[in-house]
Amino acid sequence: EAGVAQSPRYKIIEKRQSVAFWCNPISGHATLYWYQQILGQGPKLLIQFQNNGVVDDSQLPKDRFSAERLKGVDSTLKIQPAKLEDSAVYLCASSITGTGLSYEQYFGPGTRLTVT
Amino acid sequence: GDSVTQMEGPVTLSEEAFLTINCTYTATGYPSLFWYVQYPGEGLQLLLKATKADDKGSNKGFEATYRKETTSFHLEKGSVQVSDSAVYFCALSDTNYGKLTFGQGTILTVHP
Repeated sequence: EAGVAQSPRYKIIEKRQSVAFWCNPISGHATLYWYQQILGQGPKLLIQFQNNGVVDDSQLPKDRFSAERLKGVDSTLKIQPAKLEDSAVYLCASSITGTGLSYEQYFGPGTRLTVT
Repeated sequence: GDSVTQMEGPVTLSEEAFLTINCTYTATGYPSLFWYVQYPGEGLQLLLKATKADDKGSNKGFEATYRKETTSFHLEKGSVQVSDSAVYFCALSDTNYGKLTFGQGTILTVHP
C-alpha cells in the first residue's frame, strides 16, 4: 500500500515570497490533516479536512495560509506571503476517518521550508 | 484546551539500559493516547496507542499504560538498542474530530 506522498521535500524561499505544498493521501482515506512542526517542537495542527470539507482550521493563520482539497483526494497548502517564522516542516497525514477511536493517522515525509 | 507535556530531553542511554519517557496530559472528555516515533530522516510513525483508561499499548518491546487517575502515559522499554535512537512524541486525540495534540518530543540517543 502506498503511503502519504508529499512534494517538494525541501524548499528555500525569501520572505514575502509565496510557496505551495502538495499532499496525496493514502487511497480511500477520507480525512486529511496538515501539521506544522517547528524545530524542537511537536507538530501542531493547521487544518483538517473530511473529504473536501474543512472540519477544523482554528489554528490556520488565514491572513497568509490557505489550503484546499478539491475532489476530496489530494490537497494543497499555500503560504503567501511567507515570514521568517514560517520556517518549519509541514506534515501531511491521512486517516480512514476522523471520528471514533479506531482510526490511525499516517504521516508523509514532510516538506522542510526555510524562509530567509 | 488540550495539552501534552513530555519530560525534558535529550535522553542518552547505553545499550540494554531501561528507558522511561514521562508524558502527562490535560484534556476534556476521554481522549485516546499515542506514542509516535520519528527515526532520523524518516516520517512520523505510530509506535503504540491506548484508547481507554488502564489500557496498555505495546509494540517493539515498548509499553505504555493509560493512567486516568494521574493523567499519564509514560513510555517504557526494558532494554534499549542503538536502533531505538529517535525522537519520541506523546500525543492525544480529540475524540470528536480525531486531531492530534503533540508533546514537544524527546530525543533519545542510545550508545553501544
